Amino acid sequence: SAVISQKPSRDICQRGTSLTIQCQVDSQVTMMFWYRQQPGQSLTLIATANQGSEATYESGFVIDKFPISRPNLTFSTLTVSNMSPEDSSIYLCSVEGLAENYEQYFGPGTRLTVT
Amino acid sequence: RKEVEQDPGPFNVPEGATVAFNCTYSNSASQSFFWYRQDCRKEPKLLMSVYSSGNEDGRFTAQLNRASQYISLLIRDSKLSDSATYLCVVNRNFGNEKLTFGTGTRLTIIP
Repeated sequence: SAVISQKPSRDICQRGTSLTIQCQVDSQVTMMFWYRQQPGQSLTLIATANQGSEATYESGFVIDKFPISRPNLTFSTLTVSNMSPEDSSIYLCSVEGLAENYEQYFGPGTRLTVT
Repeated sequence: RKEVEQDPGPFNVPEGATVAFNCTYSNSASQSFFWYRQDCRKEPKLLMSVYSSGNEDGRFTAQLNRASQYISLLIRDSKLSDSATYLCVVNRNFGNEKLTFGTGTRLTIIP
C-alpha cells in the first residue's frame, strides 16, 4: 500500500464559499478517485481524476461544482464550490494501481461542515 | 435491484463467536470483489480481496459464488477489535476500475 494524506482533515465553511481539498500520495499511482460519504451512507464516486486531462465525472456531479486537478501522478485536488449545507460530508480520495486487481486505498478523508 | 446489496445489521455478537456476512451483486460482468472495513469516523481500509477459489487470511475467510452472484465473509473467534462496518465492494464491469460500494454491515462484538 501507499501513504496517502489529505489536507485539510476537517473544516467548517460558510455557505457560498469554496474549499479546495488536497490529496498527496507517496508513490506514483495510475488512478486517483474522489468520493463523498454523507452521514450514515456508503461511498459515492464523484469523479476520476485524470493526469493531464479533465476529470471524468459520475452522473449527478459536474465540473462547475467539483472542479478537480491532477497535475502529476502523486497529487490531486478537489474543490467544492459555492457550498451549501447539503455539501456537508466526508470527502475521500483513493488511489489504484498499486496492485493488479483494482484494489483501492483511501486517504484519511476531509470532514466538511457547511453552515 | 441495487448494484451491491448487504444486510445492514446491526449484528451484535459475543466475543469468540463466528459471524458471517453476505452480499449480492447485480452485474454478472464484475470481476473484482473486495471486503473493506470502516471504523467509526475513519476511512475504509481494504480487508481482503475475494478470489474465485475462496481465500483465507487468519480468522477471515471470503467466498465467491459467481453463479449466484454472491460474496461472503466469515469471521472466526471474533475479537472486540473486529467491531466495525464491513463494506462489500465490486468493480463495475469487466476491465472497469471503478468500484461500487455496498451500504455496509455494522458489527459489534460484545464482551
